[in-house]
Parts: sequence; C-alpha cells; structure tokens
Amino acid sequence: KQEVTQIPAALSVPEGENLVLNCSFTDSAIYNLQWFRQDPGKGLTSLLLIQSSQREQTSGRLNASLDKSSGRSTLYIAASQPGDSATYLCARGGGSQGNLIFGKGTKLSVKP
Amino acid sequence: GAGVSQTPSNKVTEKGKYVELRCDPISGHTALYWYRQSLGQGPEFLIYFQGTGAADDSGLPNDRFFAVRPEGSVSTLKIQRTERGDSAVYLCASSLTRLEEGYNEQFFGPGTRLTVL
Repeated sequence: KQEVTQIPAALSVPEGENLVLNCSFTDSAIYNLQWFRQDPGKGLTSLLLIQSSQREQTSGRLNASLDKSSGRSTLYIAASQPGDSATYLCARGGGSQGNLIFGKGTKLSVKP
Repeated sequence: GAGVSQTPSNKVTEKGKYVELRCDPISGHTALYWYRQSLGQGPEFLIYFQGTGAADDSGLPNDRFFAVRPEGSVSTLKIQRTERGDSAVYLCASSLTRLEEGYNEQFFGPGTRLTVL
C-alpha cells in the first residue's frame, strides 16, 4: 500500500523562524509531488508542484525539495509569519491517472 | 479567472436519504477528481474523470456512491441511502492533465461539508 507520512503532526514556532516540514513516501516511483496549504474549514491551496524529473521548486519564501531515492520531500518556509499558520499537506501523484495520495498534514502555528 | 467551485457548501441530511454534490471545474480542465476528507485526515481519492468518462473509480467505497460528468465539464457526486459514516468534506479538483510531460497540478474547490444525522 502506498503511504505518505508527514512529520511532525503539529509545530509551533515564533514569528521570523525558518522551518522545515517533512514528507516521506513508500514508493519511489512517484509521478510528482505537490504541497498544499489548508486553512480551517477551507479547501486546499496548491503551493508547489515538483515533477518527478525535478529536485526542487521555489515560490517566494517557500522551497520544496524532492529526493526520490530516499522517498522524501521537504517544504522549507523562510522567515515565518503568523499568516503562514495553517495545515500543510503533501501529496504524491500515484500511477498513470495522477490521483493524489495525501499525508495527514502538519498543523503549523506561527506565534507573533 | 474562476477557480473550482462546489455546491452546496454545506449539506445536512438524514440517514437513508439521497444527496447530490456538484463540482464546476476550471474552464478547459479535462481532468476532474473527487476526494473525501475526514476530520484530522488527508483527502482520500474517490474517482477520476478524463473528459466524460470515469477513468478510475477504484476509490469509491461502495455501490452507494456514483459520479457523472455527462458533458465533460460539471460533475455530480451522488450518494444513495446515506449513512452517518458518509459524513465528511467532499473535495473536487481539476487539472490540465499533461501526463506525457509529467505535469498534473491539481486545483481544489472549497469542498462540500456533508453531515448525515
């Protein structure tokens, strides 16, 4: 069974800190990996997509890396802000149909 | 441009009733996905459409669940004889599938929160 694991389940940091969220997956033959943000009671907002041929993607203060051989992806958030508080989900593209397999998420709280 | 929209945003029904959940994807997106998210969990895949056809329905939990996309745009998820365990947030996503290029970024709607009493 393909599984995606996210560690830690919850994280609380003071404003301004740089932080790393971790995602691991059991099948290295992934199609792509996508990071999302979910605010309470809301849908998912796509942050970054890394294709299987890529090693990282950057958008503003966010940087996501992908290491297929070790089955890991990390999301790096620089200079965290209270507005970054949300649940962050990673998902791997599974199979030729592209449906996503999600982790349970990391709930991030950035304190002012 | 407009994102993925879903209606209703909330649906409360009684056990045994029939419900329909609607998804309106981003214009031009050929791929459409339905997921279900329970509290504290990540979304779980239900069904995938490429155009009008269901290319993969392996995630549907049982035959009470059915989905259609008759014109290749709007999709409806239908749940018969609802049970309390069906209570969850139902999410829809669409993408411009270019699998041959390894690109398939999915964009999600706000979801429909279904509560079965």
